[in-house]
Amino acid sequence: EAQVTQNPRYLITVTGKKLTVTCSQNMNHEYMSWYRQDPGLGLRQIYYSMNVEVTDKGDVPEGYKVSRKEKRNFPLILESPSPNQTSLYFCASSHSGLATNTGELFFGEGSRLTVL
Amino acid sequence: SQKIEQNSEALNIQEGKTATLTCNYTNYSPAYLQWYRQDPGRGPVFLLLIRENEKEKRKERLKVTFDTTLKQSLFHITASQPADSATYLCARAGGGADGLTFGKGTHLIIQP
Repeated sequence: EAQVTQNPRYLITVTGKKLTVTCSQNMNHEYMSWYRQDPGLGLRQIYYSMNVEVTDKGDVPEGYKVSRKEKRNFPLILESPSPNQTSLYFCASSHSGLATNTGELFFGEGSRLTVL
Repeated sequence: SQKIEQNSEALNIQEGKTATLTCNYTNYSPAYLQWYRQDPGRGPVFLLLIRENEKEKRKERLKVTFDTTLKQSLFHITASQPADSATYLCARAGGGADGLTFGKGTHLIIQP
């Protein structure tokens, strides 16, 4: 079954404690991206990756890091989480970059993060 | 910056009627618009894509239009059912980053 898998699905942590949210896709997609969703603000892109070892900032990258060492995995790293990073996070993938590709985004089920 | 505006207020429709959701965009017309469905606590699911040079696209009970003069897309669900109740998101490509810019979504409620 084609899917994007995120872990953990739920996490409560404290300010400053480094955490990683993993994301894996089994569709051999080149393009992967992270979004956060907040009430009243909608979905906003954090980072994206066009392919292995190629990553770039989205609209709200501050406080986050990503890496793309393998095609299937795209972890989101919060080096020093703060309360304003409390949010619902979604990983997504697509066949290729969206500027030139009209393919759909496949989303994971989301990771709800609370930073105290 | 490129913006997508959707009526974020809930839309209540009686079962069997046609639900029409509006998506307005700013600045230049995107190469395409996409529509997604999102259920509570779940990730968005792709429904339809319409290109700039297409006026209308259909899929089963769904229909999407794209009016570049009005800078607007309309999303229709005909013969609506309670199972159609969800939040519907409109999205466009374009902008500085390679990603989709999403509207805040419209919460659709189909009442039996």
